[in-house]
Amino acid sequence: GAGVSQSPRYKVTKRGQDVALRCDPISGHVSLYWYRQALGQGPEFLTYFNYEAQQDKSGLPNDRFSAERPEGSISTLTIQRTEQRDSAMYRCASSLRVPGGSTDTQYFGPGTRLTVL
Amino acid sequence: GQNIDQPTEMTATEGAIVQINCTYQTSGFNGLFWYQQHAGEAPTFLSYNVLDGLEEKGRFSSFLSRSKGYSYLLLKELQMKDSASYLCAVITSGTYKYIFGTGTRLKVLA
Repeated sequence: GAGVSQSPRYKVTKRGQDVALRCDPISGHVSLYWYRQALGQGPEFLTYFNYEAQQDKSGLPNDRFSAERPEGSISTLTIQRTEQRDSAMYRCASSLRVPGGSTDTQYFGPGTRLTVL
Repeated sequence: GQNIDQPTEMTATEGAIVQINCTYQTSGFNGLFWYQQHAGEAPTFLSYNVLDGLEEKGRFSSFLSRSKGYSYLLLKELQMKDSASYLCAVITSGTYKYIFGTGTRLKVLA
């Protein structure tokens, strides 16, 4: 079946522009996570949702970053007034159930490579 | 604070056994995952431990000691395709977010 998809796969933008990154989780998956991954590093937690409710946004670097999942399915990560330091791979992951109760694998998407010039 | 430590790089020979260690200090603990990530690809699930002890799955095993804040991933009968980064991740308590280590880059030599 279809896995997690993300779009665009590559985004090049100029400093100061806003960008919106989209994540389409596996159908029926309740939880959705956003990560940022620098080359040679592990994923860095940004935020996550159970259904449409944002559970934890402590990893968002500053108030230029926001995320939403209004209908509990597709999610958008928005970065306003982009800066060069925002350049990274942004990954989305989804899991079937709410975390904490049992073994629940996260399935990662292919990521969006963001480059801010 | 949250801290997960893994060796940066390891090298092993095809057919050998390798153990990748992970130590963690996090705000609570609700489970530990190991993921494999090939260069340029997304991480994929390998194993999950929530109770102390060894979990075996084919050529891969993972061990957890919660009292020591320690886990390891054991890879047996290494193959060239096992060359990848191996990520240790802990689910914290409270909001159940995942904290990842920086990953261990494993090179398997012929």
